[in-house]
Amino acid sequence: AAGVIQSPRHLIKEKRETATLKCYPIPRHDTVYWYQQGPGQDPQFLISFYEKMQSDKGSIPDRFSAQQFSDYHSELNMSSLELGDSALYFCASSATTSGYTFGSGTRLTVV
Amino acid sequence: RKEVEQDPGPFNVPEGATVAFNCTYSNSASQSFFWYRQDCRKEPKLLMSVYSSGNEDGRFTAQLNRASQYISLLIRDSKLSDSATYLCVVRGDYKLSFGAGTTVTVRA
Repeated sequence: AAGVIQSPRHLIKEKRETATLKCYPIPRHDTVYWYQQGPGQDPQFLISFYEKMQSDKGSIPDRFSAQQFSDYHSELNMSSLELGDSALYFCASSATTSGYTFGSGTRLTVV
Repeated sequence: RKEVEQDPGPFNVPEGATVAFNCTYSNSASQSFFWYRQDCRKEPKLLMSVYSSGNEDGRFTAQLNRASQYISLLIRDSKLSDSATYLCVVRGDYKLSFGAGTTVTVRA
């Protein structure tokens, strides 16, 4: 069965650079969520989209922005990267309340 | 205060033991509840949804107590492969809130 696809799997950027993370939800899933998980921490909610509209916003820095496109894929854009942005970024998608499927994540390292 | 709080763990148990831990949530309007399992450096994977009447899936039993706002997970006859971090996840509106996770280590 198709899963949530995230790209790239790994990304290394320097401070003050920009990064774009992509997420391709499971077909027919209408909601996409972005989470940030720092080392040894629980996932922190960043932002979600329902039917291509932003539906909720969590602890997302102003330097970050996200959108969901007409084909339902989503992109998380991160600018002026800081060392503290190094984390695992998960995307999840859902269509019902029966559960949410996570992608394998993008590991971002800022040096 | 965090929206979802979990037993800190870690729980170190021998194979075959029973281990149980709880999670409390602060938003009484929360709609759905889940237990996810996360292995080191990998994505969370759904272990089971938690229903009001309680539910069981093999060796795993989940309970929900809405009045006291907590959910629990019990693992019977634990296996080495059960070693993982178990995340309590609560859904409200359009986001999921995670607990910090309970680490379970099953030893031979």
